Amino acid sequence: EVQLVQSGGGLVKPGGSFRLSCAASGITFTNAWMTWVRQAPGKGLEWVGRIKTKTEGEARDYAAPVKGRFTISRDDSESMVYLQMNSLKTEDTAVYYCTLELDRGSPLWGQGTLVIVSS
Amino acid sequence: DIVMTQSPDSLAVSLGERATLNCKSSQPVLHSSNNKNFLAWYQKKPGQPPKLLIYWASARDSGVPDRFSASGSGTDFTLTISSLQAEDVAVYYCQQYFRTPPSFGQGTKLEIK
Repeated sequence: EVQLVQSGGGLVKPGGSFRLSCAASGITFTNAWMTWVRQAPGKGLEWVGRIKTKTEGEARDYAAPVKGRFTISRDDSESMVYLQMNSLKTEDTAVYYCTLELDRGSPLWGQGTLVIVSS
Repeated sequence: DIVMTQSPDSLAVSLGERATLNCKSSQPVLHSSNNKNFLAWYQKKPGQPPKLLIYWASARDSGVPDRFSASGSGTDFTLTISSLQAEDVAVYYCQQYFRTPPSFGQGTKLEIK
């Protein structure tokens, strides 16, 4: 089955760290650009960042609000993508989605995981 | 960065009637190499991940009902639902994926009148 299954999520204090995981199945993961998108409570969708393929040097791009604090990585042997979030702020509270990014947008999304940053 | 602006912010339409949603990009999103607009539309319902409806500005994704259609080029785009169904109540987002960072509009909330 073609799917992205996320794990992780929870409550963390401001300044803390958290790692989200996303397991892909049914896709050629080594050729996939993987992206993270978030939605804060009551807000719209916000692109967080992406990681390109190994043959593209696993190049990463990040949105300005998370650059320098968040890191995306991938493990092609396990078809996994990760979002390491450091120096978390209350405004990082959101549902985080991993997605498969193609030249036709993002046709495949994980189920989403909620991260709450609060003291 | 490319800024995406959707209008209206919310829209109420009667069942069976037409809904028209608009999206404007601050820069053209037309890729000259393949003459495709890198513009997508997503449907977002509470508690669910976004669902891709339209890509390349006018191509319906697999399984999307044909009451959903879209058009536009350059900087101005439209999503049309020809005959609104109850299950179409959602927030709709346009997204440009022409330039990094990909960016979403603020969303249009579609409701039943």
